[in-house]
Amino acid sequence: NAGVTQTPKFQVLKTGQSMTLQCAQDMNHEYMSWYRQDPGMGLRLIHYSVGAGITDQGEVPNGYNVSRSTTEDFPLRLLSAAPSQTSVYFCASSFDRGGEQFFGPGTRLTVL
Amino acid sequence: DAKTTQPNSMESNEEEPVHLPCNHSTISGTDYIHWYRQLPSQGPEYVIHGLTSNVNNRMASLAIAEDRKSSTLILHRATLRDAAVYYCILSGANAGKSTFGDGTTLTVKP
Repeated sequence: NAGVTQTPKFQVLKTGQSMTLQCAQDMNHEYMSWYRQDPGMGLRLIHYSVGAGITDQGEVPNGYNVSRSTTEDFPLRLLSAAPSQTSVYFCASSFDRGGEQFFGPGTRLTVL
Repeated sequence: DAKTTQPNSMESNEEEPVHLPCNHSTISGTDYIHWYRQLPSQGPEYVIHGLTSNVNNRMASLAIAEDRKSSTLILHRATLRDAAVYYCILSGANAGKSTFGDGTTLTVKP
């Protein structure tokens, strides 16, 4: 049982490049979320999903796309990277409404 | 989404109890109260959660006010390993839509 896994751990992009941050969980959780955390700040919700085929926007969705084709995977796509997207990105999953969220180790992204 | 308010920082001595407060005056009847903590360079770690009644687990206790507009995370005997940022968040009708504030930075002094 690997829990929540994220790849890559580190990434450097140039402004305007696109990329996909991968997130997977093997706990059969319906709920998955993406957060970003800027230095010295709390986590802000980007997008979330309540199950395969269903996604919704969080607090800061602009510049990001998500899809949920399977229960296990919830990739986050940066369409055209900007320096303001330099941050640490965390993926999380939970079994049900109101339950414990399990977080991945994070992806540290730098956009030059 | 309902917001929470926490003090920016708190200090405690090792081996003493710590009470971390959280205000959530706009909580709805179906919102769960969750606490997470985050060590440097790590992802958040679940601590405890509850709905209406006080809750205990091996890590901490959660005391919820009768009107549910505030709660307190209680660490019974703080250790140096408890030094972290503690987040109080509300989880609404959708468990994925949880809003984190900036949390409380707990410093534990030996």
